[in-house]
Amino acid sequence: DSGVTQTPKHLITATGQRVTLRCSPRSGDLSVYWYQQSLDQGLQFLIQYYNGEERAKGNILERFSAQQFPDLHSELNLSSLELGDSALYFCASSVDPGQGGAFFGQGTRLTVV
Amino acid sequence: AQSVTQLGSHVSVSEGALVLLRCNYSSSVPPYLFWYVQYPNQGLQLLLKYTSAATLVKGINGFEAEFKKSETSFHLTKPSAHMSDAAEYFCAVSAPNTGNQFYFGTGTSLTVIP
Repeated sequence: DSGVTQTPKHLITATGQRVTLRCSPRSGDLSVYWYQQSLDQGLQFLIQYYNGEERAKGNILERFSAQQFPDLHSELNLSSLELGDSALYFCASSVDPGQGGAFFGQGTRLTVV
Repeated sequence: AQSVTQLGSHVSVSEGALVLLRCNYSSSVPPYLFWYVQYPNQGLQLLLKYTSAATLVKGINGFEAEFKKSETSFHLTKPSAHMSDAAEYFCAVSAPNTGNQFYFGTGTSLTVIP
């Protein structure tokens, strides 16, 4: 158990819909990262938050947004969903600096039908 | 900027044979380096990390990796493969000057042949 909790584990939704993925980081970790993993794209970095502030953006679509709340949990919002958004979405957390590594949750498997 | 390159997207070894998964990094500053393992339908689990202490790093499940600055490499090895080692392995790099973002390689799928 990494200590990072992601909900829900599975999500099936229709194209055009909006979903919210939730992540609770390890106790004490201020940084939260979101990654998308698909068969054709591999592990793609989406966005990083540190103590409530956006720190870095990766390959995140404009239809996607995220935030980190004062209690440090984070949410990833995906809207106007397309079939190609079907993937595993991982949240990871780390202390800062990140020399201890990032710890990953079990992921949310999103299926868009 | 930081990046990692994993040579070989698929590696097959016989049970009991040496496992060698290659990772080369690029970093403008002394990096932190990591190996992660991902079993099917699971998240990534940290195997080991290099953070500028000993260059030979021992991790879980009998894996180790050696940091070689002259070769900009951080290859992962295990003397004797076990069936349970079959998984996807990711090398990652981070550095203080990039806000500690973690840059992952494309992964190497390890198959262990009985």
